[in-house]
Amino acid sequence: QVQLVESGGGVVQPERSLTLSCAASGFTFSSYGMHWVRQAPGKGLEWVAVIWYDATKKYYADSVKGRFTISRDNYKNTLYLQMNSLRAEDTAVYYCARKAPCSTSCYAVDYWGQGTLVTVSS
Amino acid sequence: QSALTQPASVSGSPGQSITISCTGTSSDLGDYNSVSWYQHYPGKAPQLIIYDVTNRPSGVSNRFSGSKSGNTASLTISGLQAEDEADYYCSSYTSSITWVFGGGTKLTVL
Repeated sequence: QVQLVESGGGVVQPERSLTLSCAASGFTFSSYGMHWVRQAPGKGLEWVAVIWYDATKKYYADSVKGRFTISRDNYKNTLYLQMNSLRAEDTAVYYCARKAPCSTSCYAVDYWGQGTLVTVSS
Repeated sequence: QSALTQPASVSGSPGQSITISCTGTSSDLGDYNSVSWYQHYPGKAPQLIIYDVTNRPSGVSNRFSGSKSGNTASLTISGLQAEDEADYYCSSYTSSITWVFGGGTKLTVL
């Protein structure tokens, strides 16, 4: 079955960097686009970034553009989120999620991981 | 990239039906049949329950249904059950090739 397991979260000081990873299994990772979505404490879901299946296209939320970089390694079946210049408002649970295939829906997010918590604090 | 607008909370008794609205703009929800709905139990992974406005993934109860009119989408849950108590989020693709979520609605089953 589809499994997405995030790692790399933790406590980091403001303006520092952190890289999240998401290990994918149970499907052909190289055939699917992937998202990062986050949820700040007590808040709703916020879309962060998407990367196409072949990494040719990447798009970001305005709130992270220029600071975060989404990438993937299709040989290692792993998705990444490089986060630079972190701010207190980046504190959140970060979810890795699979973009549904267009044969189903070009727009839906069909599987999610359990998330990893990032806390930005001095 | 403003969030879609959802009511913060809704409630209903077992067996009743409830509807959660989700309002966007002509640049997102109004322009694409791309609305998805997610059920989220705190501490768990969100689950897709409706995609492309009206479609249910395999395995999702037919008590969940979706619709859209103009810039507003709706999720209806019929025959409410205690297990439906969760947070619900709508989402839409946008003309900027981004995605946007609603603020979330907490459903309480009385």
